[in-house]
Amino acid sequence: EVQLVESGGGLVQPGGSLRLSCAASGFIFSDHYMDWVRQAPGKGLEWVGHTRNKANSYTTEYAASVKGRFTISRDDSKNSLYLQMNSLKTEDTAVYYCAKGGGGRYYYYGMDVWGQGTTVTVSS
Amino acid sequence: QSVLTQPPSASGTPGQRVTISCSGSTSNIGSNTVNWYQQYPGTAPKLLIYTGTQRPSGVPDRFSGSKSVTSASLAISGLQSEDEADYYCAAWDDSLNGWVFGGGTKLTVL
Repeated sequence: EVQLVESGGGLVQPGGSLRLSCAASGFIFSDHYMDWVRQAPGKGLEWVGHTRNKANSYTTEYAASVKGRFTISRDDSKNSLYLQMNSLKTEDTAVYYCAKGGGGRYYYYGMDVWGQGTTVTVSS
Repeated sequence: QSVLTQPPSASGTPGQRVTISCSGSTSNIGSNTVNWYQQYPGTAPKLLIYTGTQRPSGVPDRFSGSKSVTSASLAISGLQSEDEADYYCAAWDDSLNGWVFGGGTKLTVL
């Protein structure tokens, strides 16, 4: 069974940093793209970015709203995904979900299985 | 303002068929496939339809997806009370080089 468990959320002041982690199990982690998606309180879903798989050289893409402030990385040896968030703003307050990329080593169709999410609150 | 446009709400009675629309542009729905997600309050989204028409295992065949040019639709037939949830469409956008979502549609089963 595919499982994704996020951790690392919490309260941080504007301008601060936070690192989220996502522990994956139940699938061949290195074969899959991995995404981060967030949801502000009472709002819809917003894609944050993703890291491609080993076959696609682990390249990354980011939403314009976080580019230059957030960094996505992965450690295939630990089946783990990370989101380093710097220069945090109040508008970054949200539940952050990690999601497994659907498809396989040479095919990706977007987010299929999602973790339960971790809450990040940016406030002074 | 979401890149993909969905109606904020939809409703139907048990047994009815309801459709939820998702309007985009040539850079997203017009060029790429669409996924649909279902989300209950306080829980993570769940993939309902991928690549426009495919259902993951475990998703009832009451749910179906379709696409026409730059719009997509999610149809739910034989509406049940447990279908009351928020529904989101998503597509890759070639201009933004990222995934874009609709604003979500809250489905109420009357």
